[in-house]
Order: sequence, then structure tokens, then C-alpha cells
Amino acid sequence: AQSVAQPEDQVNVAEGNPLTVKCTYSVSGNPYLFWYVQYPNRGLQFLLKYITGDNLVKGSYGFEAEFNKSQTSFHLKKPSALVSDSALYFCAVRDSDGGFKTIFGAGTRLFVKA
Amino acid sequence: DTGVSQDPRHKITKRGQNVTFRCDPISEHNRLYWYRQTLGQGPEFLTYFQNEAQLEKSRLLSDRFSAERPKGSFSTLEIQRTEQGDSAMYLCASSLGGTSGSYEQYFGPGTRLTVT
Repeated sequence: AQSVAQPEDQVNVAEGNPLTVKCTYSVSGNPYLFWYVQYPNRGLQFLLKYITGDNLVKGSYGFEAEFNKSQTSFHLKKPSALVSDSALYFCAVRDSDGGFKTIFGAGTRLFVKA
Repeated sequence: DTGVSQDPRHKITKRGQNVTFRCDPISEHNRLYWYRQTLGQGPEFLTYFQNEAQLEKSRLLSDRFSAERPKGSFSTLEIQRTEQGDSAMYLCASSLGGTSGSYEQYFGPGTRLTVT
């Protein structure tokens, strides 16, 4: 069965510093990996995805993520955090052998302090 | 606005009553998903449609829950004999399938259900 773990409930970072939000996954086939962001009182928004190809993927708002097959990780990164990046971030995985069911992590709350 | 819409946005009902939620996906999207999200958790997959066919159902979707997508356009999620444990945010998402599919899902604002 597929699963996703986001080991940190909360990440605190100062504005201008790099940020990392961690995600590890487990699937039986090949993973399709996603990051979504949820701002207060707004719906989930797609940030970026890894389907195949280059392990470093770039997405919206300057975010990027690195797929690491050996460590089964897909950490979200940004070189320089903004206060406006403060939100709830969800990692999600779909198993290429598992139909269209997508499993989401529990979420990591990011606080960026000015 | 051509995003995913959900109606109603909020629903308060008494235990034992039936409720129905509606989702209108992005018009060209043939895939539609329902999720349930409780406080402090990520969305939990409930069910998935490709066009009008319901292809996957989670074990979370008990026999009190039913979803339909007639004509492959909008979808409804009905909960019969609601229980307090059904209180949650119900999310709908859609995506474009096929060889040019985009894989990512586009979410609606959700319907918040409170069962008293």
C-alpha cells in the first residue's frame, strides 16, 4: 500500500533564509509525487510534480523539489523564503501501479518570520 | 471563474439526516475525485470517477456514502443517516486524463459539514 510521511508538523524559518519541507513515501510501483499548498480559508493549490525525468523539478512561486529514489524522498525547497510563503504544505503520492488513488501526507505548517 | 466549484460551502445538519453535496469540475476535465479532510490531517481519498464511471472507492466510503457523476459532468456525494463522526471538510478535485493528461488535481473550496 502506498503511504506518505511528513515528519515535521511545523517548520520555522526567517525571511530570506532557505527552507526545506521534508517528505518520504512508499509505493510498490513507480511514484508520481506532488506538493500542494493550502493558504488560510483557501483551497488546496498545486505547486509542483515529479512524474519522470529530471530529479529536480521546479514549480510555482520559486519552489522546487528533489526526487531521491534511493531515499524515497521528495523534499520541497526554496532558496529564499518569503513571509507570504507561510501556509500548510502537503506532499502527495500516486502509485503508478495503483490506479488513481492519491495519498496525502498530514501536512507541514510553514512559518516564515520577518 | 473556470475553477472547481462546490455547493454548499457550509452545511449544518442533525444526526440521522441525509445530506447531498455537489461538485462542478473544470469543464474539460474528465477525472473527478472526492476527499475528506479533518482538522490537522491531509485529505483522505474517498472515490474517483473517470467520466461517468466510478472506478475506485476507498474502504472509508461506507454504505452510507454514495457518489454519482451522471453524464460525466458534475458529481454529487450523498451521506445518509449522518453521524457526528462525519463532520469534516469534503473536497472535490478534478484533473485532465488521457495521453495529454496533466496528473495534478485542481481542488474546489470544499464543503464543511457539521453534524450536531
